[in-house]
Amino acid sequence: AQSVTQLGSHVSVSEGALVLLRCNYSSSVPPYLFWYVQYPNQGLQLLLKYTSAATLVKGINGFEAEFKKSETSFHLTKPSAHMSDAAEYFCAVSEGPGGGNKLTFGTGTQLKVEL
Amino acid sequence: EPEVTQTPSHQVTQMGQEVILRCVPISNHLYFYWYRQILGQKVEFLVSFYNNEISEKSEIFDDQFSVERPDGSNFTLKIRSTKLEDSAMYFCASSDGLAQETQYFGPGTRLLVL
Repeated sequence: AQSVTQLGSHVSVSEGALVLLRCNYSSSVPPYLFWYVQYPNQGLQLLLKYTSAATLVKGINGFEAEFKKSETSFHLTKPSAHMSDAAEYFCAVSEGPGGGNKLTFGTGTQLKVEL
Repeated sequence: EPEVTQTPSHQVTQMGQEVILRCVPISNHLYFYWYRQILGQKVEFLVSFYNNEISEKSEIFDDQFSVERPDGSNFTLKIRSTKLEDSAMYFCASSDGLAQETQYFGPGTRLLVL
């Protein structure tokens, strides 16, 4: 069975500071990994995904994540936080390519950006 | 840009009542999903649907739940007799089923069972 652990349910950063949101996964097969963002009163929007190509994945809004197999991690980073980044971020894993594979989500990290 | 839509955005119902949550997936997508998120908890998979039948379901998805694609555009989740613990945000998602697929999520329906 697959699982995802997100360390830190709440993270607070200053505007302009580095954002680091942590995600560790457990999977018996090579994982496909995703980061989704949820803004207030909206659905889940895909930020980026890792699908066994490049280990450093760039996404929307300046976010990127690095797949580290040795550490079973897929941490999300952004060099400089903006107020508009305040949202909830979810890491998720699926079993692999092809249709119909369910996503297993972490518990989410609420990012707060302060002036 | 195409998007997944869900109606209603909020629904309040009495325990024991039936509810139907509606979703319109992205038009050329083939795989459809329901997930739910109980307040303060993680997003959980309920069911996936392909070619007019359930592909996979979780242990949450018991006999009280059913899904249907009644026409070419809608995808519904029915809860036959709601319980207090069914109160949650329900998300519909769809994907085109290709390799490295992305699931696109709707905005959710917040269900409150009283």
